[in-house]
Amino acid sequence: KQEVTQIPAALSVPEGENLVLNCSFTDSAIYNLQWFRQDPGKGLTSLLLIQSSQREQTSGRLNASLDKSSGRSTLYIAASQPGDSATYLCAVEVGANSKLTFGKGITLSVRP
Amino acid sequence: NAGVTQTPKFQVLKTGQSMTLQCAQDMNHEYMSWYRQDPGMGLRLIHYSVGAGITDQGEVPNGYNVSRSTTEDFPLRLLSAAPSQTSVYFCASSYSRGPRIPIFGPGTRLTVT
Repeated sequence: KQEVTQIPAALSVPEGENLVLNCSFTDSAIYNLQWFRQDPGKGLTSLLLIQSSQREQTSGRLNASLDKSSGRSTLYIAASQPGDSATYLCAVEVGANSKLTFGKGITLSVRP
Repeated sequence: NAGVTQTPKFQVLKTGQSMTLQCAQDMNHEYMSWYRQDPGMGLRLIHYSVGAGITDQGEVPNGYNVSRSTTEDFPLRLLSAAPSQTSVYFCASSYSRGPRIPIFGPGTRLTVT
């Protein structure tokens, strides 16, 4: 059974810091890996999707990498801002059916 | 495009009552899914559908029924509500091809007393 782990559960950093959020998964036979953002009381918004054949994806200040062989992904946030404060969830899709297995998320707080 | 809509936003049920959580999308997505989110548990898949008339179970299907009679709608039925079903429920949809980025609805917060 696929398991996705995100550690730590919470992180607090000062504004302007570059930071890395980690995600690990147990089964390397994934179709893709995605990073989502969730604001309190809201639904999930997709940030980046990395196909299994890709190594990284970038969008603005965000960069996500994927190492399938080691079962790891990282989300790099450059020059963090208070508006980046949210919960970041990692999810993997196993098989071509859009079934996602999620990690529990990392709650990020960026202090002004 | 309204995206993915969910109704109601909030609901309180008594144990044993039944209800249907509604989910609709206007993007002509083939895939639709229901997840529940509980504190400390992350999101878990309840049921999913790869097209009209086709549904299958996810990780935590017990106590829930689904049907998909149209591409647009994917209702989730609670047959006899239990306090363990207190949760936030999210519906998501995506295309069947391409990068398959899911679009999530705003969620339904359900409390069972």
